[in-house]
Amino acid sequence: AQKVTQAQTEISVVEKEDVTLDCVYETRDTTYYLFWYKQPPSGELVFLIRRNSFDEQNEISGRYSWNFQKSTSSFNFTITASQVVDSAVYFCALTKDTGRRALTFGSGTRLQVQP
Amino acid sequence: NAGVTQTPKFQVLKTGQSMTLQCAQDMNHEYMSWYRQDPGMGLRLIHYSVGAGITDQGEVPNGYNVSRSTTEDFPLRLLSAAPSQTSVYFCASSPQGASTDTQYFGPGTRLTVL
Repeated sequence: AQKVTQAQTEISVVEKEDVTLDCVYETRDTTYYLFWYKQPPSGELVFLIRRNSFDEQNEISGRYSWNFQKSTSSFNFTITASQVVDSAVYFCALTKDTGRRALTFGSGTRLQVQP
Repeated sequence: NAGVTQTPKFQVLKTGQSMTLQCAQDMNHEYMSWYRQDPGMGLRLIHYSVGAGITDQGEVPNGYNVSRSTTEDFPLRLLSAAPSQTSVYFCASSPQGASTDTQYFGPGTRLTVL
């Protein structure tokens, strides 16, 4: 069975601080995909990134960066110089390489960025 | 493209009532799914479909029915609503071509069952 753990329930930072959201996953599959989604206060789910299990390169997109480490089964997300607009719930998710594409979500981390 | 649309945005039901949550996408995506989001639990898969005429159960299917008569639409039916079905429901779609391609979510339907 697959499992995604986001141990940080809520994080509060002051604007311009860097913050890392942790994601640890469990799977027996050799091929799998990891995702991060953002859920702002308005409630929609916004796709941020997808990473497959064969690509351990870190990725950077503006102020966002992701660190994927298979050795520790982690896919952590860092926001550099956080802004108030980053305040949201962030979900890490996992799926295996099948047509079923069922996403297994973590419980989410609520990030509050104070001005 | 409107993307994935869901109606209604909000709904209040009484226990035992039935209703259908609508989901439509205009991206010609073959894969569609329904999730529910409960506080502190992330999203859990209810039902999914890999194409018109094909549906299957997810992690929490009890109390829900689905059908997929067209590529565009994937309605979720609650036959006899229960308070335990109070939740936010999200529909998602993705193309079939590339395996595990990104799933795009609709805006959600907030359902309260009294």
